[in-house]
Amino acid sequence: SQQGEEDPQALSIQEGENATMNCSYKTSINNLQWYRQNSGRGLVHLILIRSNEREKHSGRLRVTLDTSKKSSSLLITASRAADTASYFCATELVGGAQKLVFGQGTRLTINP
Amino acid sequence: ETGVTQTPRHLVMGMTNKKSLKCEQHLGHNAMYWYKQSAKKPLELMFVYSLEERVENNSVPSRFSPECPNSSHLFLHLHTLQPEDSALYLCASSQAPGVWAFFGQGTRLTVV
Repeated sequence: SQQGEEDPQALSIQEGENATMNCSYKTSINNLQWYRQNSGRGLVHLILIRSNEREKHSGRLRVTLDTSKKSSSLLITASRAADTASYFCATELVGGAQKLVFGQGTRLTINP
Repeated sequence: ETGVTQTPRHLVMGMTNKKSLKCEQHLGHNAMYWYKQSAKKPLELMFVYSLEERVENNSVPSRFSPECPNSSHLFLHLHTLQPEDSALYLCASSQAPGVWAFFGQGTRLTVV
């Protein structure tokens, strides 16, 4: 089964609201990464959080990591219509030869 | 523009055709990846090349054949594909473990 699983699979909110997406994984990781994908395009990295870190911020994005629960969350504050996209978490596994394992993603829709 | 370029962007091929996908990066990265993205499925890691050596092959059918002639170029040779191979094929590169990957825009492949 896959390493990372996002929750929810789809999220629709009003512009200005906060959006929270969660990611769970199964095995030990070096780091966890969040990516964004606009429809049919490539992925763009957002934030990387290392296994010894608990929280990171970048602009309106906040990522938390709980290694005891093997979970992470991505919070987007004050959402904008332009935030509409799919968001993926990816884990770099310990001893994993630089490979990233992705979850299924959360499809986020921001309604104006 | 992420620095990773994939060509072609779109490809339609018959099941008896042979074609190749190309990926190029001039970011100085030492690892390159092929991912397959099908509708409603997680990104599937197909191949990983680290320092031009293949370090990962995730049980990919032999009708997909990767080639990494140097650290800047990665190819995916396709032959006798099936309609279920229709998907978005994404190339990515990274510098080392512990850093994020840069993705190309993908090749939308349709097998007819």
